Amino acid sequence: EAQVTQNPRYLITVTGKKLTVTCSQNMNHEYMSWYRQDPGLGLRQIYYSMNVEVTDKGDVPEGYKVSRKEKRNFPLILESPSPNQTSLYFCASSSLGGLGETQYFGPGTRLLVL
Amino acid sequence: GNSVTQMEGPVTLSEEAFLTINCTYTATGYPSLFWYVQYPGEGLQLLLKATKADDKGSNKGFEATYRKETTSFHLEKGSVQVSDSAVYFCALRGRGAQKLVFGQGTRLTINP
Repeated sequence: EAQVTQNPRYLITVTGKKLTVTCSQNMNHEYMSWYRQDPGLGLRQIYYSMNVEVTDKGDVPEGYKVSRKEKRNFPLILESPSPNQTSLYFCASSSLGGLGETQYFGPGTRLLVL
Repeated sequence: GNSVTQMEGPVTLSEEAFLTINCTYTATGYPSLFWYVQYPGEGLQLLLKATKADDKGSNKGFEATYRKETTSFHLEKGSVQVSDSAVYFCALRGRGAQKLVFGQGTRLTINP
C-alpha cells in the first residue's frame, strides 16, 4: 500500500529537549515536505527536499532542521524545542511530475512542548 | 506572492443540505488548484483538483470549477451526509513549483 508514515503520532516534551520526528514514504517520490498546521492559519511549509541531499527552507523554517540522506526518509529535527513549536505536523511527498501532481500526506504528529 | 482565502468556518448543515465552501486565490500565471479533506484524527487526503481554467474537478459527489475570471475554486455538493463532516482545505500550486499554498481550512459539521 502506498503511504507516508510518521512517528511518533503524539509527543509531549519539555523546552530544550532535542527531538526527531521521522517520515518515510514507499512511493519512490523525489519531493518531500514538512508542514505545520495551526488553528486559523492552515498548513505552512517548514522545509522541503527535491531529492537526496537537496533541501531548502519553506515559509517557517526557524527552529527546525531536516536531512535527506535516503530517498524514502525525511526526518524533522527540533534541536531545542520551544512552546511556540507546539503544533500538528504533517509530512508529505510527491513525484516531480506535471501540473496535477498529487501530494500524499502522512497521518500527522501532534507535538506539545511544555 | 501566492495566497488562498477560504470562507470562514465553522459551517454546520443538516443532512441532505446543499454545500458551498468558497475559495478564492491570488497567483501569478496559471496555478493548479486542489481541495484536500481532513477527517478527524487523520492526515490530509486529496479530494479533487483542476489544472487549467474551466476544468471541473469532481469526486465523491463534490465538485469545483476552476474560474480564472473570478480567481475562484468553490467546493460544492448537492446533498451532504454526516460522513462528510471534516475540515476542508483549498490549496494551489504555482506553475513550475512543488509547494502547496493552503487556505486556513473550513470545518464542516453535518447533523443527522
